[in-house]
Amino acid sequence: DAGVTQSPTHLIKTRGQQVTLRCSPKSGHDTVSWYQQALGQGPQFIFQYYEEEERQRGNFPDRFSGHQFPNYSSELNVNALLLGDSALYLCASSLGWGIGGYTFGSGTRLTVV
Amino acid sequence: KNEVEQSPQNLTAQEGEFITINCSYSVGISALHWLQQHPGGGIVSLFMLSSGKKKHGRLIATINIQEKHSSLHITASHPRDSAVYICAVRSSGGGADGLTFGKGTHLIIQP
Repeated sequence: DAGVTQSPTHLIKTRGQQVTLRCSPKSGHDTVSWYQQALGQGPQFIFQYYEEEERQRGNFPDRFSGHQFPNYSSELNVNALLLGDSALYLCASSLGWGIGGYTFGSGTRLTVV
Repeated sequence: KNEVEQSPQNLTAQEGEFITINCSYSVGISALHWLQQHPGGGIVSLFMLSSGKKKHGRLIATINIQEKHSSLHITASHPRDSAVYICAVRSSGGGADGLTFGKGTHLIIQP
């Protein structure tokens, strides 16, 4: 049973560019949450998608946007990249409100130069 | 002040030692998670707690809702336990709140 799959695993972008990160949830899960983890810090909640809509959002600017597809997979888009966007981006899937727990992916390491 | 505080930030111990990592939080929660993160970045969920105590192998997690405190214990620690251990809470404020994470405890077990 595949867990959460994220792609790509590593990415280098130039300041000002746009990036799209992808996440396939664990089989049976319908909710996807995205987190940003800066070096040496705990993850920070970006947003959560359920039924193809953004259900909740953390304290991130509009440059961060997302999408969820009918098959529950999700994309995280970041526009106008800043050096400070360099981080590990984690995706976590769950069923509904996460009462049954979360499954995390291995993350995408984004470096902005 | 962060909503989730972990201690210690760093811990180095010898193989076989009993390890305790603490987590305190300031909000009402519906669940608390203990997670393990290895250097590659992937996160593994160890426990989800809303009350009491859970045990899995050499790992034990406890939570005291009244005191807003949880502990993760590792018995007979082994070098393969070396990782970052993260406490995360889901608030009870309703809605689809994401998890709020502590900064993690970096554990090194030396042979």
